[in-house]
Amino acid sequence: DTAVSQTPKYLVTQMGNDKSIKCEQNLGHDTMYWYKQDSKKFLKIMFSYNNKELIINETVPNRFSPKSPDKAHLNLHINSLELGDSAVYFCASSQGYRDRGETEAFFGQGTRLTVV
Amino acid sequence: DQQVKQNSPSLSVQEGRISILNCDYTNSMFDYFLWYKKYPAEGPTFLISISSIKDKNEDGRFTVFLNKSAKHLSLHIVPSQPGDSAVYFCAAWGTTSGTYKYIFGTGTRLKVLA
Repeated sequence: DTAVSQTPKYLVTQMGNDKSIKCEQNLGHDTMYWYKQDSKKFLKIMFSYNNKELIINETVPNRFSPKSPDKAHLNLHINSLELGDSAVYFCASSQGYRDRGETEAFFGQGTRLTVV
Repeated sequence: DQQVKQNSPSLSVQEGRISILNCDYTNSMFDYFLWYKKYPAEGPTFLISISSIKDKNEDGRFTVFLNKSAKHLSLHIVPSQPGDSAVYFCAAWGTTSGTYKYIFGTGTRLKVLA
Protein backbone atom coordinates (compact mmCIF):
# COMPACT_ATOMS: atom_id res chain seq x y z
CA ASP A 1 0.00 0.00 0.00
CA THR A 2 1.86 3.04 -1.31
CA ALA A 3 2.29 5.84 1.22
CA VAL A 4 2.73 8.72 -1.27
CA SER A 5 1.55 8.06 -4.79
CA GLN A 6 1.70 10.37 -7.74
CA THR A 7 0.38 9.98 -11.24
CA PRO A 8 1.40 9.80 -13.95
CA LYS A 9 4.92 8.46 -13.63
CA TYR A 10 5.85 9.66 -17.11
CA LEU A 11 4.38 12.56 -19.03
CA VAL A 12 5.42 13.63 -22.51
CA THR A 13 3.67 16.65 -23.92
CA GLN A 14 4.09 19.46 -26.40
CA MET A 15 5.01 23.03 -25.63
CA GLY A 16 2.04 25.19 -24.85
CA ASN A 17 -0.10 22.41 -23.44
CA ASP A 18 -1.63 22.34 -19.97
CA LYS A 19 -1.07 19.30 -17.78
CA SER A 20 -1.71 18.12 -14.24
CA ILE A 21 0.13 15.81 -11.87
CA LYS A 22 -1.79 14.25 -9.02
CA CYS A 23 -0.51 13.30 -5.59
CA GLU A 24 -2.12 11.46 -2.73
CA GLN A 25 -0.79 10.40 0.66
CA ASN A 26 -2.36 7.89 3.02
CA LEU A 27 -0.11 8.62 5.99
CA GLY A 28 -2.41 11.11 7.68
CA HIS A 29 0.23 13.82 7.35
CA ASP A 30 -0.63 17.49 7.63
CA THR A 31 1.99 18.85 5.27
CA MET A 32 2.58 18.16 1.60
CA TYR A 33 5.20 19.42 -0.81
CA TRP A 34 6.15 19.61 -4.44
CA TYR A 35 9.83 19.38 -5.30
CA LYS A 36 11.47 19.71 -8.69
CA GLN A 37 14.60 17.82 -9.67
CA ASP A 38 16.19 19.51 -12.63
CA SER A 39 18.82 18.33 -15.06
CA LYS A 40 21.53 19.04 -12.50
CA LYS A 41 19.77 16.65 -10.11
CA PHE A 42 19.15 19.43 -7.62
CA LEU A 43 16.01 18.82 -5.49
CA LYS A 44 14.38 22.19 -5.05
CA ILE A 45 11.17 22.93 -3.20
CA MET A 46 8.38 24.54 -5.17
CA PHE A 47 5.35 24.54 -2.88
CA SER A 48 4.32 23.45 0.58
CA TYR A 49 0.82 23.08 1.98
CA ASN A 50 -0.13 22.59 5.60
CA ASN A 51 -3.72 21.49 6.21
CA LYS A 52 -4.72 22.70 2.74
CA GLU A 53 -3.15 26.11 3.32
CA LEU A 54 -0.34 27.31 1.06
CA ILE A 55 2.75 27.84 3.17
CA ILE A 56 5.59 28.02 0.68
CA ASN A 57 5.65 29.32 -2.86
CA GLU A 58 9.27 29.43 -3.91
CA THR A 59 9.51 31.89 -6.80
CA VAL A 60 7.76 29.49 -9.11
CA PRO A 61 6.24 30.93 -12.32
CA ASN A 62 2.52 31.63 -12.17
CA ARG A 63 2.01 28.92 -14.77
CA PHE A 64 2.40 26.44 -11.91
CA SER A 65 -0.64 26.24 -9.68
CA PRO A 66 -0.95 23.76 -6.81
CA LYS A 67 -4.35 22.69 -5.57
CA SER A 68 -5.07 20.92 -2.30
CA PRO A 69 -8.70 19.74 -2.16
CA ASP A 70 -8.02 18.07 1.19
CA LYS A 71 -4.97 17.41 3.29
CA ALA A 72 -4.39 14.01 1.66
CA HIS A 73 -4.11 15.42 -1.85
CA LEU A 74 -1.89 17.98 -3.49
CA ASN A 75 -2.12 18.32 -7.24
CA LEU A 76 0.08 20.38 -9.53
CA HIS A 77 -1.32 22.04 -12.61
CA ILE A 78 1.01 23.54 -15.19
CA ASN A 79 -0.22 25.90 -17.88
CA SER A 80 1.47 26.73 -21.17
CA LEU A 81 4.27 24.23 -20.74
CA GLU A 82 7.75 25.30 -21.79
CA LEU A 83 10.83 23.27 -22.71
CA GLY A 84 12.48 24.36 -19.46
CA ASP A 85 9.73 22.72 -17.42
CA SER A 86 11.16 19.33 -18.33
CA ALA A 87 12.23 17.76 -15.05
CA VAL A 88 11.24 15.17 -12.49
CA TYR A 89 8.60 16.40 -10.06
CA PHE A 90 8.33 14.81 -6.64
CA CYS A 91 5.46 15.01 -4.25
CA ALA A 92 6.20 14.50 -0.55
CA SER A 93 4.45 14.63 2.79
CA SER A 94 5.45 14.96 6.41
CA GLN A 95 3.85 15.31 9.79
CA GLY A 96 6.04 18.13 10.86
CA TYR A 97 5.72 21.83 10.46
CA ARG A 98 7.49 24.62 12.29
CA ASP A 99 8.67 23.38 15.65
CA ARG A 100 7.22 19.93 15.03
CA GLY A 101 9.57 19.51 12.14
CA GLU A 102 11.81 16.77 13.50
CA THR A 103 10.39 14.12 11.29
CA GLU A 104 11.13 12.80 7.88
CA ALA A 105 9.37 13.50 4.64
CA PHE A 106 8.05 10.65 2.53
CA PHE A 107 8.37 10.98 -1.22
CA GLY A 108 6.39 9.70 -4.13
CA GLN A 109 8.12 7.91 -6.99
CA GLY A 110 8.30 11.05 -9.13
CA THR A 111 6.77 12.20 -12.40
CA ARG A 112 9.19 12.63 -15.27
CA LEU A 113 7.83 15.45 -17.38
CA THR A 114 9.25 15.88 -20.86
CA VAL A 115 8.17 18.88 -22.90
CA VAL A 116 8.88 18.61 -26.63
CA ASP B 1 22.55 30.24 -2.86
CA GLN B 2 23.29 26.66 -1.91
CA GLN B 3 22.66 26.28 1.82
CA VAL B 4 23.31 22.54 1.90
CA LYS B 5 26.32 21.33 -0.03
CA GLN B 6 27.62 17.93 -0.97
CA ASN B 7 30.92 18.64 -2.61
CA SER B 8 31.62 15.11 -3.82
CA PRO B 9 29.35 14.24 -6.74
CA SER B 10 30.49 10.63 -6.71
CA LEU B 11 32.25 8.05 -4.59
CA SER B 12 33.39 4.50 -5.30
CA VAL B 13 34.07 2.03 -2.50
CA GLN B 14 34.92 -1.65 -2.38
CA GLU B 15 32.34 -3.99 -0.91
CA GLY B 16 32.93 -4.51 2.80
CA ARG B 17 34.77 -1.24 3.28
CA ILE B 18 33.50 1.97 4.83
CA SER B 19 31.68 4.59 2.78
CA ILE B 20 31.84 8.15 4.07
CA LEU B 21 29.58 10.75 2.53
CA ASN B 22 29.98 14.37 3.54
CA CYS B 23 27.67 17.34 3.75
CA ASP B 24 28.16 20.97 4.75
CA TYR B 25 25.56 23.58 5.56
CA THR B 26 25.70 27.32 5.95
CA ASN B 27 22.76 28.22 8.19
CA SER B 28 23.43 27.72 11.90
CA MET B 29 19.67 27.87 12.54
CA PHE B 30 19.13 24.48 10.91
CA ASP B 31 18.27 22.05 13.68
CA TYR B 32 17.46 18.72 12.09
CA PHE B 33 19.33 16.84 9.42
CA LEU B 34 18.41 13.88 7.29
CA TRP B 35 19.96 11.52 4.79
CA TYR B 36 17.98 10.12 1.91
CA LYS B 37 18.84 7.38 -0.53
CA LYS B 38 17.61 7.43 -4.09
CA TYR B 39 17.59 4.70 -6.70
CA PRO B 40 17.02 5.55 -10.38
CA ALA B 41 13.38 6.15 -11.33
CA GLU B 42 12.32 6.11 -7.69
CA GLY B 43 11.65 8.77 -5.11
CA PRO B 44 14.11 9.51 -2.30
CA THR B 45 13.67 7.25 0.71
CA PHE B 46 14.53 8.28 4.23
CA LEU B 47 17.61 6.66 5.68
CA ILE B 48 18.63 8.26 8.95
CA SER B 49 18.42 11.59 10.74
CA ILE B 50 20.01 13.54 13.54
CA SER B 51 18.87 16.36 15.74
CA SER B 52 21.18 19.28 16.39
CA ILE B 53 21.30 18.39 20.08
CA LYS B 54 23.16 15.20 19.24
CA ASP B 55 26.48 14.54 17.58
CA LYS B 56 25.90 10.95 16.52
CA ASN B 57 23.03 8.70 15.56
CA GLU B 58 23.40 5.07 14.62
CA ASP B 59 21.05 2.67 12.88
CA GLY B 60 22.52 -0.66 11.93
CA ARG B 61 25.20 -0.17 9.30
CA PHE B 62 24.45 3.56 9.05
CA THR B 63 25.82 6.24 11.34
CA VAL B 64 25.42 9.97 10.97
CA PHE B 65 27.82 12.36 12.69
CA LEU B 66 27.12 16.03 13.24
CA ASN B 67 29.75 18.68 13.94
CA LYS B 68 27.76 21.83 14.64
CA SER B 69 30.76 24.09 15.06
CA ALA B 70 32.00 23.12 11.62
CA LYS B 71 28.48 22.99 10.16
CA HIS B 72 29.31 19.57 8.82
CA LEU B 73 27.70 16.17 8.87
CA SER B 74 28.72 12.85 7.49
CA LEU B 75 27.12 9.51 6.80
CA HIS B 76 29.14 6.37 7.43
CA ILE B 77 28.10 3.05 5.95
CA VAL B 78 29.90 0.03 7.36
CA PRO B 79 30.25 -2.45 5.80
CA SER B 80 29.28 -1.19 2.38
CA GLN B 81 27.23 -3.53 0.21
CA PRO B 82 26.52 -3.48 -3.54
CA GLY B 83 22.86 -2.75 -2.77
CA ASP B 84 23.96 0.53 -1.19
CA SER B 85 24.84 1.85 -4.63
CA ALA B 86 22.54 4.84 -5.07
CA VAL B 87 22.49 8.61 -4.88
CA TYR B 88 22.55 9.94 -1.33
CA PHE B 89 21.04 13.29 -0.49
CA CYS B 90 21.75 15.25 2.63
CA ALA B 91 18.91 17.50 3.79
CA ALA B 92 18.34 20.06 6.50
CA TRP B 93 15.05 20.98 8.10
CA GLY B 94 14.94 24.60 8.97
CA THR B 95 13.63 28.01 8.18
CA THR B 96 14.69 30.49 5.62
CA SER B 97 12.65 33.66 5.30
CA GLY B 98 10.34 32.43 8.06
CA THR B 99 9.10 29.28 6.33
CA TYR B 100 10.14 25.78 7.33
CA LYS B 101 11.17 23.31 4.66
CA TYR B 102 13.52 20.50 3.79
CA ILE B 103 16.55 21.87 1.96
CA PHE B 104 18.51 19.34 -0.03
CA GLY B 105 22.08 19.05 -1.17
CA THR B 106 22.93 18.08 -4.73
CA GLY B 107 23.58 14.45 -3.90
CA THR B 108 26.53 12.06 -3.97
CA ARG B 109 26.42 9.01 -6.20
CA LEU B 110 27.81 6.05 -4.30
CA LYS B 111 29.01 3.02 -6.17
CA VAL B 112 29.92 -0.05 -4.15
CA LEU B 113 32.12 -2.38 -6.12
CA ALA B 114 31.72 -6.13 -5.64
